[in-house]
Amino acid sequence: GQQLNQSPQSMFIQEGEDVSMNCTSSSIFNTWLWYKQDPGEGPVLLIALYKAGELTSNGRLTAQFGITRKDSFLNISASIPSDVGIYFCAGYNFNKFYFGSGTKLNVKP
Amino acid sequence: AAGVIQSPRHLIKEKRETATLKCYPIPRHDTVYWYQQGPGQDPQFLISFYEKMQSDKGSIPDRFSAQQFSDYHSELNMSSLELGDSALYFCASSLGGQATYEQYFGPGTRLTVT
Repeated sequence: GQQLNQSPQSMFIQEGEDVSMNCTSSSIFNTWLWYKQDPGEGPVLLIALYKAGELTSNGRLTAQFGITRKDSFLNISASIPSDVGIYFCAGYNFNKFYFGSGTKLNVKP
Repeated sequence: AAGVIQSPRHLIKEKRETATLKCYPIPRHDTVYWYQQGPGQDPQFLISFYEKMQSDKGSIPDRFSAQQFSDYHSELNMSSLELGDSALYFCASSLGGQATYEQYFGPGTRLTVT
């Protein structure tokens, strides 16, 4: 099946720092989505990307749809403690969403 | 804005019992997805429905079945429960037949099998 490789697996950063995480795949996707999940809660959609090369922002979050359509990255600027959580990428193809393994973000005040 | 509703939020069952999880999609959404998420894992796709028809099948055990009803809500039926079925079960919904594929998750049902 289609695999998404998400990295890094976890990050420990200081409040105020910028964060970058990415997802790569051997397969092409038509849509990339980024989610944030808090413990015991459902993933919350942060950003959706639909076109190769597209760069989209949502507040302090910026995500890009890779030119090759096989990758995407998410940047968080000026991190704050409430950014703590697990961030998942998801690629969409053929009626199905494929998820990365998640990046666990820890922010030290 | 209305979100995806799942019930119950928590469920405790014994081995070999059955369980039914319910999902109410966002109004006007016609596509429902079910996922299973174990501790520290990413969501694993189980099954999806579009316009009341099964549209795709993932790693759903034969002991599980699901359907989507005329009002677009969906139910996941789980029989002969095993300890390994303990997990968070998420339902997500989206509007099919569009150029965009934004999928919104519900809060999940935490199933514990003892």
